[in-house]
Amino acid sequence: EAQVTQNPRYLITVTGKKLTVTCSQNMNHEYMSWYRQDPGLGLRQIYYSMNVEVTDKGDVPEGYKVSRKEKRNFPLILESPSPNQTSLYFCASSIAGGVYEQYFGPGTRLTVT
Amino acid sequence: AQSVTQLDSQVPVFEEAPVELRCNYSSSVSVYLFWYVQYPNQGLQLLLKYLSGSTLVKGINGFEAEFNKSQTSFHLRKPSVHISDTAEYFCAVSEGVGGSYIPTFGRGTSLIVHP
Repeated sequence: EAQVTQNPRYLITVTGKKLTVTCSQNMNHEYMSWYRQDPGLGLRQIYYSMNVEVTDKGDVPEGYKVSRKEKRNFPLILESPSPNQTSLYFCASSIAGGVYEQYFGPGTRLTVT
Repeated sequence: AQSVTQLDSQVPVFEEAPVELRCNYSSSVSVYLFWYVQYPNQGLQLLLKYLSGSTLVKGINGFEAEFNKSQTSFHLRKPSVHISDTAEYFCAVSEGVGGSYIPTFGRGTSLIVHP
């Protein structure tokens, strides 16, 4: 089944404790992206990647890191999480940008206390 | 730079009534337009998209949208809604040649269908 998977689905952590949210897709997509969803603010892009080893900042990259060492994986790293990073995170993938639709993962709900 | 405006943050409607969710965009180049739906506790999934050709686009679950270039709009409509249509709806735009190709999302519209 074609899908985007994220792990974990739920995470409660404390300020400053490094964490990684994994994202994997099995559709051989070139483009991958991370978003955060907050009430009243909709979806905001954190980082995106057009291909392996190519990443770029989205609208809200501060406090986040990503890597794209393999085509299928695009982990999101929070080196020192803070309470303002409490949010619902989505990973998405697409054949490419432009005309192609994005396929979304189920989401990761992160709470930083 | 492109931007997307969803004019209504929340739209309450009674079951079997028609609904329109509004979306306007700004861009100086050609665009590709999308509507996504997010059911409670789920990720987003594609509802419909406009790439080129006919300006009226039909999607899943009886939804349709019309691309209006002069008004830079892509409003979503359904003639008769069901309780199961209660969800968050996101409009998105990607630019074509000369643009960024990176999709931008609106803030979303919460459709609430009452019995």
